[in-house]
Amino acid sequence: SQQGEEDPQALSIQEGENATMNCSYKTSINNLQWYRQNSGRGLVHLILIRSNEREKHSGRLRVTLDTSKKSSSLLITASRAADTASYFCATDARNQGGKLIFGQGTELSVKP
Amino acid sequence: DTGVSQNPRHKITKRGQNVTFRCDPISEHNRLYWYRQTLGQGPEFLTYFQNEAQLEKSRLLSDRFSAERPKGSFSTLEIQRTEQGDSAMYLCASSEDGGYTFGSGTRLTVV
Repeated sequence: SQQGEEDPQALSIQEGENATMNCSYKTSINNLQWYRQNSGRGLVHLILIRSNEREKHSGRLRVTLDTSKKSSSLLITASRAADTASYFCATDARNQGGKLIFGQGTELSVKP
Repeated sequence: DTGVSQNPRHKITKRGQNVTFRCDPISEHNRLYWYRQTLGQGPEFLTYFQNEAQLEKSRLLSDRFSAERPKGSFSTLEIQRTEQGDSAMYLCASSEDGGYTFGSGTRLTVV
């Protein structure tokens, strides 16, 4: 079964707006990662946040992690049409050999 | 080539046939993972290797599925007697110290 749950399942915004996606998980983790996937393609690694970190930035991406609530958020600022894709959170749970457990994803549509 | 390579990109097969997929990981990565993804879902873990040793297999990996990683380099995933429910994207990833790189996947369609 999937570890993570993401919301919203789908998000539609206008270019220039910010997009926020949330992820919740169930067990203790080593780190949490966010991935992007264009339709029919492979996964592209966006950002990794370790369990002892609370916030991380990479370009227009901002990720937060709250281990007490077992939740994370991904914020994409000043969105572009090219950001249209599915976004997945994945947890590297402790004592699980490094395998990632993915959420069901958020489908983001950015309209020009 | 510094990425993870998967072949073939697409495979259409008739129900009951056997299929084999190949994954070439990043050469210095010692861990290799296989995932399966169906439409509208996140990837689901199938199995992983540390070098040539297969360390874990998911319950999703029925006895029709077998994976190998001879010599700790490339890996193959074989599905015997394919069923329509096997239709999915099969993703391979390699990792070193938690940093994952995914291949583009092999899309299997069983007709």
